Amino acid sequence: RKEVEQDPGPFNVPEGATVAFNCTYSNSASQSFFWYRQDCRKEPKLLMSVYSSGNEDGRFTAQLNRASQYISLLIRDSKLSDSATYLCVIYGQNFVFGPGTRLSVLP
Amino acid sequence: GAVVSQHPSRVICKSGTSVKIECRSLDFQATTMFWYRQFPKQSLMLMATSNEGSKATYEQGVEKDKFLINHASLTLSTLTVTSAHPEDSSFYICSARWGFSEAFFGQGTRLTVV
Repeated sequence: RKEVEQDPGPFNVPEGATVAFNCTYSNSASQSFFWYRQDCRKEPKLLMSVYSSGNEDGRFTAQLNRASQYISLLIRDSKLSDSATYLCVIYGQNFVFGPGTRLSVLP
Repeated sequence: GAVVSQHPSRVICKSGTSVKIECRSLDFQATTMFWYRQFPKQSLMLMATSNEGSKATYEQGVEKDKFLINHASLTLSTLTVTSAHPEDSSFYICSARWGFSEAFFGQGTRLTVV
């Protein structure tokens, strides 16, 4: 089993849609959890950290389920500018990136 | 957020030559720096982790004699690709953190070996 797995993409959704990504991890000792977004040929940028109680930042909601070892990202009212690859990142002894899920928001 | 500067952003070199990539944390002291490689349409793959003043810890399958990492100060780490070959052509990205902060990424270096 891979250390971090994500939903296979790509996700093609219309503007205004709600889309959800899931990510599972295998290391139960993982300490920190993040969602990054990466635009084509650019470096990853932090979207949000993921806390045990769940957290929301505008249209984005992240949740963590330690018992089942997964995190999720929900994007509401998606915009064209949300088109990117979303990377699930788990920190245990080092940062481990998931393979990413490509999102395309269509007009 | 914190700033990490990576240089150069793009480099083309001849096969057999060496290339040095610099990664600097501009407004914080990076206790740990990470080097990643990303091939087209693939995710970031960790190459090595370096702590200031210590030898880098390389991931399995990464040749430490080929990818030399130096982390001499809290604000600078370098990756030298020695005797580069076309298969080393890739996008190399560094990231830095202090303590348990999130990772801040450099802009990446696109290496093309011809």
